[in-house]
Amino acid sequence: GAVVSQHPSRVICKSGTSVKIECRSLDFQATTMFWYRQFPKKSLMLMATSNEGSKATYEQGVEKDKFLINHASLTLSTLTVTSAHPEDSSFYICSALRTAGELFFGEGSRLTVL
Amino acid sequence: AQSVTQLGSHVSVSEGALVLLRCNYSSSVPPYLFWYVQYPNQGLQLLLKYTTGATLVKGINGFEAEFKKSETSFHLTKPSAHMSDAAEYFCAVRESSNTGKLIFGQGTTLQVKP
Repeated sequence: GAVVSQHPSRVICKSGTSVKIECRSLDFQATTMFWYRQFPKKSLMLMATSNEGSKATYEQGVEKDKFLINHASLTLSTLTVTSAHPEDSSFYICSALRTAGELFFGEGSRLTVL
Repeated sequence: AQSVTQLGSHVSVSEGALVLLRCNYSSSVPPYLFWYVQYPNQGLQLLLKYTTGATLVKGINGFEAEFKKSETSFHLTKPSAHMSDAAEYFCAVRESSNTGKLIFGQGTTLQVKP
């Protein structure tokens, strides 16, 4: 089956630094990718829709200047958490949409901000 | 707007017993419905999906779900639980705009007791 890879799987950073998380579709092209945030014992909250070659579409309440999304190629979307603070600590999951309408999820990236 | 409700945030069964995880949806258009499983610190894995056609859908690992329009339900079942089934399960509905966005339920933690 199709594979979506996220990197890094775990990252620990100091408060005030920026962290970039990559989401790659390894064997298919994805014009659309999605970024989710998951709090402990909670469901997935859609943060934004990442569109190749255009600006991301953010969900209501998500700070676009805090969570920068770039979808520079058909196989790569990046989420940058800028000036991270402890409250940004979370599990971030991406998904990529294949042409046939199938959605594939990455393994997730756990961010811990000290 | 679509929505998904999973009844029971925590379900506990004995090994070998029937697994029943409940999901009800709300949708103004014929829904596309999904069940995903998530193991600790991992992404989501698709168990099964309903789009059109046969209302009884068989998935991986012995799981199946039945789409019941009259009850607006899409409950997940497995005849005999294995210890390895212990995980978080999410029901989801695709947003009607067909952008690929998924709206997730709150999740159900399945515990399997020996």
